[in-house]
Amino acid sequence: GENVEQHPSTLSVQEGDSAVIKCTYSDSASNYFPWYKQELGKRPQLIIDIRSNVGEKKDQRIAVTLNKTAKHFSLHITETQPEDSAVYFCAASLSGGSNYKLTFGKGTLLTVNP
Amino acid sequence: GAVVSQHPSWVICKSGTSVKIECRSLDFQATTMFWYRQFPKQSLMLMATSNEGSKATYEQGVEKDKFLINHASLTLSTLTVTSAHPEDSSFYICSARDPGQIYTEAFFGQGTRLTVV
Repeated sequence: GENVEQHPSTLSVQEGDSAVIKCTYSDSASNYFPWYKQELGKRPQLIIDIRSNVGEKKDQRIAVTLNKTAKHFSLHITETQPEDSAVYFCAASLSGGSNYKLTFGKGTLLTVNP
Repeated sequence: GAVVSQHPSWVICKSGTSVKIECRSLDFQATTMFWYRQFPKQSLMLMATSNEGSKATYEQGVEKDKFLINHASLTLSTLTVTSAHPEDSSFYICSARDPGQIYTEAFFGQGTRLTVV
């Protein structure tokens, strides 16, 4: 089955700096890659996702890049703010369809210091 | 947006008793729902895939007789932790994806904090 590796496990940055989180996946058939943000005690919330036919996607301060050949994808957060502090999870799925499970990475605890 | 609701948010039970957790999709009909378990400061580990009208598919290492899943309607899946023990204490969270979308995110319930004493 699919295996998703995520690095780093913790990341501390100064407010205004950029943060990068990287993930690799094992199943070349995976074609949907979402990123979730989870604040303490709360449910994960989607922040951005990318499909395998796209190499990069951007939404304001957040961007995701995908390298299908190397089977890795990355989350980039620019101009970080204290409210960006949370645990971030990458995930991979064989399909964007509703019946397909997501396999999650182990998460990255991002701390943005004021 | 689509909403998945989970109940209860937290529960404390005595060792040996059973606990039922409900997961409802409020904005769409979910033929498939997913149940995860999350330990403190750890990732979301898929326990099982709940299929409406048929048996759930359990991940390797998950005891199906201990974690009973029922998906009797298109908007409700339940997870029952049977004969709970302290090691079952965890954060359980469900999710569902909208079948009306070709590419759909997974919407998560609020999660249930189970404490077995």
